[in-house]
Amino acid sequence: GQSLEQPSEVTAVEGAIVQINCTYQTSGFYGLSWYQQHDGGAPTFLSYNALDGLEETGRFSSFLSRSDSYGYLLLQELQMKDSASYFCAVNGGNAGKSTFGDGTTLTVKP
Amino acid sequence: NAGVTQTPKFRVLKTGQSMTLLCAQDMNHEYMYWYRQDPGMGLRLIHYSVGEGTTAKGEVPDGYNVSRLKKQNFLLGLESAAPSQTSVYFCASSYSRSSTDTQYFGPGTRLTVL
Repeated sequence: GQSLEQPSEVTAVEGAIVQINCTYQTSGFYGLSWYQQHDGGAPTFLSYNALDGLEETGRFSSFLSRSDSYGYLLLQELQMKDSASYFCAVNGGNAGKSTFGDGTTLTVKP
Repeated sequence: NAGVTQTPKFRVLKTGQSMTLLCAQDMNHEYMYWYRQDPGMGLRLIHYSVGEGTTAKGEVPDGYNVSRLKKQNFLLGLESAAPSQTSVYFCASSYSRSSTDTQYFGPGTRLTVL
C-alpha cells in the first residue's frame, strides 16, 4: 500500500517563502506530484519529480529525495492568491494511479 | 478545447435512488479516473480506466460502478445511493502513466444523499 504525510495547515505572510513537506511510504514509486486546489475548485497540476533534485517553475519549486522518501514544495514571493490547499501525490506505477495526501491548507496573510 | 467536463455540477438524492455522473474529455487521453473528496481530506480513487472498454477498481470502489464505452467518456454510477456517498466527485484524465503524470481534473460534482 501507499501512505503520505503532509502538515494539515501552514500560515505565512505575503512576500515570504514557505515550504510544504511530504513524506511517503510506497511499494512502488514512479514520481511525486504536487497539486493546488482553491476552495470549491478542482485540483490543478503544479509540478512532478521523478528524479532526485529540485524542479523550478516560476515562483514554485519542488524537491525530491527518493532515498529519504521525502519531497517538498517551495513557494516563493507568496501572494494572497496562493492561499489554497496543496496536495502531494505518489505515482506508484500501477496504471498511472496516484495516491494523494490529505492536503496542506496554506493561508497567506497581508 | 473544453478539457475535462462533468455533469451534473450539483445533485441531491434520496437514500436508495440511483444516478449516473458523466465525465467527458476532449484531449484524446487514454487514462481516466474517478475520485471522491470528503471535507478536509485528499482525493481517494474510486475506479479508473486505462483505455476504451477497460475499467478497474481503485481504493474505494464499493457502491459504485463505471463504464468506458467510448474513449472520451467515463461514467460513474451509483446504484443505490447512501448518505456515506455524500461527497464531491472529481473526474480526471491523463495521456499516459509514463510521462509527467499530469492529471487534468474536471470541475467536480457536488452530491448530497439525504
